[in-house]
Amino acid sequence: AQSVTQPDIHITVSEGASLELRCNYSYGATPYLFWYVQSPGQGLQLLLKYFSGDTLVQGIKGFEAEFKRSQSSFNLRKPSVHWSDAAEYFCAVGAGGGADGLTFGKGTHLIIQP
Amino acid sequence: SAVISQKPSRDICQRGTSLTIQCQVDSQVTMMFWYRQQPGQSLTLIATANQGSEATYESGFVIDKFPISRPNLTFSTLTVSNMSPEDSSIYLCSVGGQTYEQYFGPGTRLTVT
Repeated sequence: AQSVTQPDIHITVSEGASLELRCNYSYGATPYLFWYVQSPGQGLQLLLKYFSGDTLVQGIKGFEAEFKRSQSSFNLRKPSVHWSDAAEYFCAVGAGGGADGLTFGKGTHLIIQP
Repeated sequence: SAVISQKPSRDICQRGTSLTIQCQVDSQVTMMFWYRQQPGQSLTLIATANQGSEATYESGFVIDKFPISRPNLTFSTLTVSNMSPEDSSIYLCSVGGQTYEQYFGPGTRLTVT
Protein backbone atom coordinates (compact mmCIF):
# COMPACT_ATOMS: atom_id res chain seq x y z
CA ALA A 1 0.00 0.00 0.00
CA GLN A 2 1.16 3.49 -0.71
CA SER A 3 1.84 6.17 1.89
CA VAL A 4 2.78 9.84 1.94
CA THR A 5 4.78 11.74 4.53
CA GLN A 6 4.79 15.49 4.87
CA PRO A 7 7.31 16.08 7.62
CA ASP A 8 6.45 19.72 8.26
CA ILE A 9 3.12 20.36 9.99
CA HIS A 10 3.56 24.14 9.94
CA ILE A 11 5.86 26.39 7.92
CA THR A 12 6.17 30.15 8.30
CA VAL A 13 7.62 32.15 5.42
CA SER A 14 7.98 35.87 4.90
CA GLU A 15 6.13 37.37 1.98
CA GLY A 16 8.41 37.48 -1.03
CA ALA A 17 10.64 34.72 0.24
CA SER A 18 11.06 31.35 -1.44
CA LEU A 19 9.17 28.26 -0.34
CA GLU A 20 9.80 24.55 -0.33
CA LEU A 21 7.33 22.05 1.07
CA ARG A 22 8.56 18.51 1.51
CA CYS A 23 6.81 15.33 0.49
CA ASN A 24 8.07 11.75 0.63
CA TYR A 25 6.11 8.83 -0.70
CA SER A 26 6.20 5.08 -0.49
CA TYR A 27 4.95 3.10 -3.46
CA GLY A 28 6.28 0.02 -5.19
CA ALA A 29 5.76 1.09 -8.79
CA THR A 30 5.91 4.38 -10.64
CA PRO A 31 3.75 6.72 -8.61
CA TYR A 32 1.27 9.28 -9.73
CA LEU A 33 1.98 12.32 -7.56
CA PHE A 34 -0.08 15.41 -6.86
CA TRP A 35 -0.07 18.59 -4.84
CA TYR A 36 -3.34 20.13 -3.74
CA VAL A 37 -4.05 23.37 -1.91
CA GLN A 38 -6.94 23.98 0.46
CA SER A 39 -7.63 27.56 1.44
CA PRO A 40 -9.77 28.27 4.51
CA GLY A 41 -13.35 27.32 3.82
CA GLN A 42 -12.50 26.20 0.29
CA GLY A 43 -12.36 22.88 -1.45
CA LEU A 44 -9.22 21.24 -2.73
CA GLN A 45 -7.57 22.70 -5.79
CA LEU A 46 -5.07 20.77 -7.86
CA LEU A 47 -1.77 22.64 -8.11
CA LEU A 48 0.20 20.19 -10.22
CA LYS A 49 0.73 16.55 -11.04
CA TYR A 50 3.43 14.14 -12.10
CA PHE A 51 2.97 10.80 -13.77
CA SER A 52 5.80 10.49 -16.29
CA GLY A 53 8.32 12.44 -18.34
CA ASP A 54 10.11 15.55 -17.19
CA THR A 55 10.73 15.32 -13.47
CA LEU A 56 10.28 19.07 -12.97
CA VAL A 57 6.63 19.93 -13.36
CA GLN A 58 5.04 23.33 -13.49
CA GLY A 59 1.70 24.07 -11.95
CA ILE A 60 -0.70 26.88 -11.39
CA LYS A 61 -0.07 29.99 -9.28
CA GLY A 62 3.68 29.89 -9.95
CA PHE A 63 4.28 26.58 -8.18
CA GLU A 64 6.59 23.83 -9.38
CA ALA A 65 7.58 20.43 -8.03
CA GLU A 66 10.45 18.07 -8.68
CA PHE A 67 10.14 14.29 -8.68
CA LYS A 68 13.23 12.52 -7.37
CA ARG A 69 12.90 8.78 -7.59
CA SER A 70 16.15 8.11 -5.71
CA GLN A 71 14.86 10.07 -2.74
CA SER A 72 11.19 9.09 -3.09
CA SER A 73 10.39 12.77 -2.92
CA PHE A 74 8.13 15.24 -4.65
CA ASN A 75 8.85 18.62 -3.10
CA LEU A 76 6.80 21.69 -3.92
CA ARG A 77 8.52 25.02 -4.54
CA LYS A 78 7.70 28.61 -5.25
CA PRO A 79 10.34 31.31 -5.76
CA SER A 80 8.40 34.14 -4.12
CA VAL A 81 5.32 33.65 -1.96
CA HIS A 82 2.38 36.00 -1.72
CA TRP A 83 0.09 36.53 1.27
CA SER A 84 -2.65 34.75 -0.67
CA ASP A 85 -0.59 31.54 -0.65
CA ALA A 86 -1.41 31.02 3.03
CA ALA A 87 -3.29 27.73 3.06
CA GLU A 88 -3.05 24.02 3.75
CA TYR A 89 -1.03 22.04 1.23
CA PHE A 90 -1.51 18.34 0.67
CA CYS A 91 0.71 15.93 -1.20
CA ALA A 92 -1.02 12.85 -2.58
CA VAL A 93 -0.08 9.65 -4.37
CA GLY A 94 -2.23 7.51 -6.62
CA ALA A 95 -1.84 4.04 -7.98
CA GLY A 96 -1.92 3.49 -11.68
CA GLY A 97 -5.11 3.10 -13.62
CA GLY A 98 -7.17 5.85 -12.08
CA ALA A 99 -9.57 3.38 -10.51
CA ASP A 100 -8.16 3.84 -7.05
CA GLY A 101 -8.49 6.74 -4.70
CA LEU A 102 -5.63 8.96 -3.65
CA THR A 103 -3.59 8.61 -0.49
CA PHE A 104 -2.94 11.96 1.13
CA GLY A 105 -0.25 13.21 3.44
CA LYS A 106 -1.26 14.92 6.66
CA GLY A 107 -0.75 18.34 5.13
CA THR A 108 1.49 21.35 5.73
CA HIS A 109 -0.02 24.55 7.04
CA LEU A 110 1.66 27.53 5.39
CA ILE A 111 1.72 30.83 7.23
CA ILE A 112 2.87 33.99 5.45
CA GLN A 113 4.47 36.72 7.52
CA PRO A 114 4.15 40.29 6.24
CA SER B 1 -11.75 19.82 -15.45
CA ALA B 2 -15.21 18.78 -14.30
CA VAL B 3 -17.43 21.09 -12.29
CA ILE B 4 -18.66 19.34 -9.16
CA SER B 5 -21.36 20.47 -6.80
CA GLN B 6 -22.42 19.04 -3.45
CA LYS B 7 -25.55 19.42 -1.41
CA PRO B 8 -25.92 20.39 1.34
CA SER B 9 -22.88 22.58 1.83
CA ARG B 10 -23.21 22.19 5.58
CA ASP B 11 -25.59 20.73 8.11
CA ILE B 12 -26.01 20.27 11.82
CA CYS B 13 -27.61 16.98 12.75
CA GLN B 14 -28.59 15.19 15.92
CA ARG B 15 -26.93 11.95 16.90
CA GLY B 16 -28.75 8.85 15.78
CA THR B 17 -30.09 10.43 12.60
CA SER B 18 -28.89 10.04 9.02
CA LEU B 19 -27.84 12.53 6.37
CA THR B 20 -27.62 11.99 2.62
CA ILE B 21 -25.06 14.04 0.72
CA GLN B 22 -25.47 14.57 -3.00
CA CYS B 23 -22.69 14.96 -5.53
CA GLN B 24 -23.45 16.21 -9.05
CA VAL B 25 -20.94 16.42 -11.92
CA ASP B 26 -21.39 18.44 -15.09
CA SER B 27 -20.05 15.65 -17.31
CA GLN B 28 -20.21 11.88 -17.43
CA VAL B 29 -17.51 10.19 -15.39
CA THR B 30 -16.76 6.56 -14.73
CA MET B 31 -15.24 6.76 -11.27
CA MET B 32 -16.42 8.82 -8.36
CA PHE B 33 -14.83 8.82 -4.94
CA TRP B 34 -15.93 9.82 -1.46
CA TYR B 35 -13.52 11.14 1.16
CA ARG B 36 -13.76 12.23 4.77
CA GLN B 37 -11.72 15.03 6.30
CA GLN B 38 -12.00 15.07 10.06
CA PRO B 39 -11.33 18.38 11.85
CA GLY B 40 -7.74 19.45 11.37
CA GLN B 41 -6.90 16.22 9.58
CA SER B 42 -6.07 15.04 6.11
CA LEU B 43 -8.39 13.32 3.67
CA THR B 44 -9.23 9.65 3.99
CA LEU B 45 -10.84 7.68 1.21
CA ILE B 46 -14.18 6.18 2.22
CA ALA B 47 -15.18 4.37 -0.95
CA THR B 48 -15.02 4.26 -4.72
CA ALA B 49 -18.29 4.38 -6.64
CA ASN B 50 -18.40 2.97 -10.14
CA GLN B 51 -21.65 3.31 -12.02
CA GLY B 52 -23.45 0.02 -12.37
CA SER B 53 -21.64 -1.81 -9.61
CA GLU B 54 -21.48 -1.88 -5.85
CA ALA B 55 -19.24 0.66 -4.18
CA THR B 56 -15.85 -0.52 -2.95
CA TYR B 57 -15.15 0.46 0.65
CA GLU B 58 -11.78 1.09 2.27
CA SER B 59 -10.71 -0.60 5.45
CA GLY B 60 -12.55 0.87 8.40
CA PHE B 61 -15.61 1.94 6.43
CA VAL B 62 -18.69 -0.26 5.99
CA ILE B 63 -21.71 -0.10 3.77
CA ASP B 64 -24.18 -0.14 6.66
CA LYS B 65 -22.67 3.06 8.02
CA PHE B 66 -21.91 4.80 4.69
CA PRO B 67 -24.25 3.50 1.99
CA ILE B 68 -23.50 4.90 -1.44
CA SER B 69 -25.62 5.10 -4.54
CA ARG B 70 -24.43 5.72 -8.09
CA PRO B 71 -27.54 5.72 -10.29
CA ASN B 72 -25.91 7.30 -13.36
CA LEU B 73 -22.65 8.72 -14.70
CA THR B 74 -23.15 12.22 -13.29
CA PHE B 75 -24.54 11.66 -9.80
CA SER B 76 -23.79 9.92 -6.54
CA THR B 77 -24.98 10.04 -2.95
CA LEU B 78 -23.30 9.19 0.33
CA THR B 79 -25.41 8.59 3.41
CA VAL B 80 -23.95 8.91 6.88
CA SER B 81 -26.14 6.66 9.01
CA ASN B 82 -26.86 6.58 12.73
CA MET B 83 -24.59 9.53 13.27
CA SER B 84 -22.46 10.18 16.32
CA PRO B 85 -20.31 13.23 17.15
CA GLU B 86 -17.29 11.34 15.77
CA ASP B 87 -18.85 11.61 12.31
CA SER B 88 -18.45 15.39 12.38
CA SER B 89 -16.26 15.99 9.34
CA ILE B 90 -16.11 17.46 5.90
CA TYR B 91 -17.25 14.95 3.31
CA LEU B 92 -15.93 15.44 -0.22
CA CYS B 93 -16.67 13.75 -3.47
CA SER B 94 -14.22 13.66 -6.33
CA VAL B 95 -14.00 12.49 -9.91
CA GLY B 96 -11.11 11.19 -11.91
CA GLY B 97 -9.38 13.31 -14.54
CA GLN B 98 -7.66 12.43 -17.80
CA THR B 99 -4.33 11.54 -16.19
CA TYR B 100 -5.40 10.03 -12.88
CA GLU B 101 -5.68 13.29 -11.01
CA GLN B 102 -8.87 13.91 -9.12
CA TYR B 103 -11.06 16.95 -8.95
CA PHE B 104 -12.95 17.66 -5.78
CA GLY B 105 -16.28 19.10 -4.92
CA PRO B 106 -16.55 21.93 -2.40
CA GLY B 107 -17.37 19.53 0.43
CA THR B 108 -20.19 19.10 2.92
CA ARG B 109 -19.41 20.23 6.44
CA LEU B 110 -21.28 18.01 8.88
CA THR B 111 -21.61 18.69 12.59
CA VAL B 112 -23.26 16.09 14.78
CA THR B 113 -24.57 17.20 18.16
